[in-house]
Amino acid sequence: KQEVTQIPAALSVPEGENLVLNCSFTDSAIYNLQWFRQDPGKGLTSLLLIQSSQREQTSGRLNASLDKSSGRSTLYIAASQPGDSATYLCAVYNFNKFYFGSGTKLNVKP
Amino acid sequence: SAVISQKPSRDICQRGTSLTIQCQVDSQVTMMFWYRQQPGQSLTLIATANQGSEATYESGFVIDKFPISRPNLTFSTLTVSNMSPEDSSIYLCSVLSGQGAKYNEQFFGPGTRLTVL
Repeated sequence: KQEVTQIPAALSVPEGENLVLNCSFTDSAIYNLQWFRQDPGKGLTSLLLIQSSQREQTSGRLNASLDKSSGRSTLYIAASQPGDSATYLCAVYNFNKFYFGSGTKLNVKP
Repeated sequence: SAVISQKPSRDICQRGTSLTIQCQVDSQVTMMFWYRQQPGQSLTLIATANQGSEATYESGFVIDKFPISRPNLTFSTLTVSNMSPEDSSIYLCSVLSGQGAKYNEQFFGPGTRLTVL
């Protein structure tokens, strides 16, 4: 069964810092990997989708990479802002199911 | 992308009662999902809502407790039956949008925050 792990569980950084969130998965037979953002008590907002054949995707200050063979993805956030404070989840998709990590709770201090 | 709305956004219910949550999508989609997110936890898939047939439930979830309807390609409901305080969670519906497995992107509704007293 696919297992998805996110490290660290929580991260607190000062505003302006560049940071990296990690996601690992045990079964490399995935169709794609998706990064989400979740604000407290809210639904999930899709940030980036990386197809299995892609190595990375970029959107604004966000860059996500995928190394399928090693079962890893990273989400890079440049020049972090207090508005980036949220929980970030990764999910892998295979066999018609999404498998979610437990998330990284990010706090960006002004 | 897909825009998804859920009703109600939150509710406080008494033990033993039932609540029906609605999920409306702005476009026709084949696959719709229902998730539960307990406090401080990640998402757990309850079931896949299939249009025109019974929902497909994950291990640990049963139709009697979580009946699901999917009358068309833009709408679904999830009922939480005979509620107990352990059912207090955020319930989320999601849809798959894309052409083919590699391109399938999941979009979520805003969630329904349920508190059972």
